[in-house]
Amino acid sequence: QVQLQESGPGLVEPSETLSLTCAVSGFSISSGFYWGWIRQPPGKGLEWVGSIHYSGMNYNTPSLKSRVTISVDTSKNQFSLKVTSVTAADTAVYYCARHVGAEGGRTFDHWGQGTLVTVSS
Amino acid sequence: DVVMTQSPLSLPVTLGQPASISCRSSQSLVHSDGNTYLNWFQQRPGQSPRRLIYKVSNRDSGVPERFSGSGSGTDFTLKISRVEAEDVGIYYCMQGTDWYTFGQGTKLEIK
Repeated sequence: QVQLQESGPGLVEPSETLSLTCAVSGFSISSGFYWGWIRQPPGKGLEWVGSIHYSGMNYNTPSLKSRVTISVDTSKNQFSLKVTSVTAADTAVYYCARHVGAEGGRTFDHWGQGTLVTVSS
Repeated sequence: DVVMTQSPLSLPVTLGQPASISCRSSQSLVHSDGNTYLNWFQQRPGQSPRRLIYKVSNRDSGVPERFSGSGSGTDFTLKISRVEAEDVGIYYCMQGTDWYTFGQGTKLEIK
């Protein structure tokens, strides 16, 4: 059973960097697939942030591309998200998820429980 | 960006009655590989999204048979044959053909 768990600070000051980690259990990241981040502002819909392959190949949503960095640590079976220069608009529940390829629909089939990050001074 | 538009945004349904949610994309979701990457998610109150349907009509393991997906091109539908209390939540369509974008969500409630 694939399980994902997000962790990181729940409060970040404006203009600072948001950093989150997703620990994966029940499946080795090195076995394949991409691994992604999706966020959901309070009371709003879902937005894909970016995804990474265990090899390090990654891609991000164009609207956030210059501020987002996603990395992977196969030794710890986890991957991470950094968003720089945050504003109140980055306040959201951040989910990590397994990102499957064409066979599975090019979508997200297992999700973490999500973690709320609030940007405020 | 591919814009996904769902309707209705609010869906009150009587228990045991059918429900239908429409999802339209701003461009065709047929990928160059011939597949159509349209997926449906359910988000129950206080929970993470759960995938129900992938590639238009493929139901995920454990998803009740009362859920079905259909459609093609730019026009897609999620149907629930007989709504149960556990179906309350927000339903999202999501396309994976050209990057990844979600619809605004449809809130299903019991009338």
